[in-house]
Order: sequence, then C-alpha cells, then structure tokens
Amino acid sequence: TQLLEQSPQFLSIQEGENLTVYCNSSSVFSSLQWYRQEPGEGPVLLVTVVTGGEVKKLKRLTFQFGDARKDSSLHITAAQPGDTGLYLCAGKGATNKLIFGTGTLLAVQP
Amino acid sequence: GAGVSQSPRYKVAKRGQDVALRCDPISGHVSLFWYQQALGQGPEFLTYFQNEAQLDKSGLPSDRFFAERPEGSVSTLKIQRTQQEDSAVYLCASSFGPRETQYFGPGTRLLVL
Repeated sequence: TQLLEQSPQFLSIQEGENLTVYCNSSSVFSSLQWYRQEPGEGPVLLVTVVTGGEVKKLKRLTFQFGDARKDSSLHITAAQPGDTGLYLCAGKGATNKLIFGTGTLLAVQP
Repeated sequence: GAGVSQSPRYKVAKRGQDVALRCDPISGHVSLFWYQQALGQGPEFLTYFQNEAQLDKSGLPSDRFFAERPEGSVSTLKIQRTQQEDSAVYLCASSFGPRETQYFGPGTRLLVL
C-alpha cells in the first residue's frame, strides 16, 4: 500500500513551460527524496530534503519540504525535453526501506 | 563495475515456471534492497539485506518469492510457480550503509504469459 500520493499522475507540457509536482502523505517522514526514472532504467536520486520548510534548488528544479514533513513539491522552471521522465518522491521512515509515491509521468514536447 | 547490474534485463516466463533474477551490487556496498515496480507506478519494497543477513522481508508478496545473498555480495530473487500478476520490473538497489543513498540497477522486466 502506497503511503505517498503524487499529483498530477500525468503531465504533458510544451518546452519552456513551468510545472509543479506534489507529493502528499498522512505520515511524517524523517527525510524525503525525489527521483527521476527514464524508460528502461532505475530511479536516479535528484535530492534529499530533511528539515521541515527546507527549500533546495538544483539548476531549474526547486524542491520544498513541508513544515510538518508530510508533503513536498517539485517545481521545474522552463521545462526542456530532457526533463521527460517518471518523477518519484520517496520517504524513508524508521526502517531503511524507501516508500515510493505513486509517480508523476512528465512529457515535455519540443 | 561502476554501478549496480542486473541480469537478465528481460525475462519471459510461462505461468508456473520458476525464475531467478540476479543482482550485482556496487563493490563494497553492504546494504541491498529489492523492489517491484508495476508499469507506470512507483517501486514497492520487497526485501532488504545487510551483508548476508536478510533483515526485512515484509514486502515479499507470497511464499513463492524467495531472496538470498549467501556471501554478502551478489543477490538472487527467485520466484516459484510464476503467476501473471508477477509481471513487473524488479529493481535492485545497493548502498554503502543502511542509511546511505541507494543506487538502483536498470531492473529486470519480467513478463509472465
């Protein structure tokens, strides 16, 4: 059973547009991670957020962790075709396993 | 090798067959995880090893699923009497320690007919 809900589930946009992906949970996580997965490959870690209210920037990507450490968002500015992929949030609770979100499939059209 | 490798990359099995999926973790990584990913969904945890010890197998969906890591390096996930609902991508990840970043392999795509 997935504990992390992502929205939207699918997103198709034009190159240059901005977008935001949301990751929501009823549980508190000690940290939350964002991954990007391309077809035929495993997920690749983009960022880890640990502190409530934390904001991290990675080039055109901005990640935010909610104050209560139960939700997070990923904002992409001026999306490019290379941003296409499946975006996954994941929480790591008391155990070491990752609990992944439901995923957001992003397609950026040139 | 530079990263986690998995073999085979693709496996087609007839319903009822047994399959074995292999994971070669990054050298020196003591933690190894197996996940199952349905099409378009996020991966779901199956099991976790610390060296050769299987510390968590709470995600294995049935007793048809079995994993081992006898020498604390290579791991094998075995599925007995495969069913159509077993069709998925099976991902392996390794990390230097249990709380360190997990690095994923490319996965094995299993199709059960």
